[in-house]
Amino acid sequence: GAVVSQHPSWVICKSGTSVKIECRSLDFQATTMFWYRQFPKQSLMLMATSNEGSKATYEQGVEKDKFLINHASLTLSTLTVTSAHPEDSSFYICSALGDRGNYEQYFGPGTRLTVT
Amino acid sequence: DAKTTQPPSMDCAEGRAANLPCNHSTISGNEYVYWYRQIHSQGPQYIIHGLKNNETNEMASLIITEDRKSSTLILPHATLRDTAVYYCIVGSGNQFYFGTGTSLTVIP
Repeated sequence: GAVVSQHPSWVICKSGTSVKIECRSLDFQATTMFWYRQFPKQSLMLMATSNEGSKATYEQGVEKDKFLINHASLTLSTLTVTSAHPEDSSFYICSALGDRGNYEQYFGPGTRLTVT
Repeated sequence: DAKTTQPPSMDCAEGRAANLPCNHSTISGNEYVYWYRQIHSQGPQYIIHGLKNNETNEMASLIITEDRKSSTLILPHATLRDTAVYYCIVGSGNQFYFGTGTSLTVIP
């Protein structure tokens, strides 16, 4: 149990276009999901916290107008990178807070975004 | 959330126990200690977590000192597939702030 999926697993897009990444909790309900970004050879950096039915909370330095997050249901959160640029190329990972009351986060497999 | 300090890298011989330390001296009373690992280009994988008591599961054991200022993750019989970056995180059920982790290399 406690499986989180992401789609797509990798995507290549042209500079100036927008890309949407989906994060789904497959066998549990997740009122809270998180989005991370990871550059090569670096650790995961928390971008934002997504709560179902409310606006996301962004970490300092993360542009909310550039990284649009929508958490419309208890099993789906989406991250849209708007007007992507090559510097947005990164590994984007989502996680979902478990519903068993032990404050455990379950991570998705990640999405590799390359902006050309 | 409290910060953690881990050695940047460690080696371990295959079949031996791998002991990965973590310092979290500013941990507060309601914060758990979590351990995750990340194999290259994959999402982090949950290993174990605890609050005060030592914990054991099918993957590892977690030893937390009595003052909770440090902990050790023990992989009892390391295999080549355990080569990964191991992250120690402290938190109370909300945001996780990852440190730099320990890159564990299991040597044949």
